[in-house]
Amino acid sequence: EIVMTQSPATLSVSPGERATLSCRASQSVSSNLAWYQQKPGQAPRLLIYGASTRATGIPARFSGSGSGTEFTLTISSLQSEDFAVYYCQQYNNWYTFGQGTKLEIK
Amino acid sequence: EVQLVESGGGLVQPGGSLRLSCAASGFTFSSYWMSWVRQAPGKGLEWVANIKQDGSEKYYVDSVKGRFTISRDNAKNSLYLQMNSLRAEDTAVYYCARGEYSSSDFDYWGQGTLVTVSS
Repeated sequence: EIVMTQSPATLSVSPGERATLSCRASQSVSSNLAWYQQKPGQAPRLLIYGASTRATGIPARFSGSGSGTEFTLTISSLQSEDFAVYYCQQYNNWYTFGQGTKLEIK
Repeated sequence: EVQLVESGGGLVQPGGSLRLSCAASGFTFSSYWMSWVRQAPGKGLEWVANIKQDGSEKYYVDSVKGRFTISRDNAKNSLYLQMNSLRAEDTAVYYCARGEYSSSDFDYWGQGTLVTVSS
């Protein structure tokens, strides 16, 4: 099983600032990596797939990068609606998710 | 508009059974792989099972093999999860999710249905 490790567990950032979230895979997943946003009481929403492609309707302030085992989600200028939990997911070998990064208001 | 609506969750005793349903609309259901993904209270996401467009291939996470069965009815645009021999650790919100391929991201999710296994 491919283990996905996200860091940090919690990230405190002020609105308008940049947030950088990390995800590491225990073995290469190529570019088969997605990022999801989840708000309390809601289902996850797809943000990024293929490591760097924004899903339909996702604002340009969200960007993804990386390949192999190291990935990054960057939110360039945080808006109030961006504070949520973010999960990475690999789909190269079945499906596994990271444990999540909670992005909170500083 | 793509919509996935789950139903069938509830409280069940350990060892009991439950059948979840997911009604799909707004897209050609028969053209997509479909999955169930669960989330225990306060925890992360875990993929449970998926099924090919025509139902000919089904895959499960090890922890539910032999207990859960995924199925679909393309005529009714519906996905199902039959859960037997339920355990306390199966307590979670269960989401249905759409995937284009057998290994792909999940581009649409339902709102989830809560399954609680407790005596």
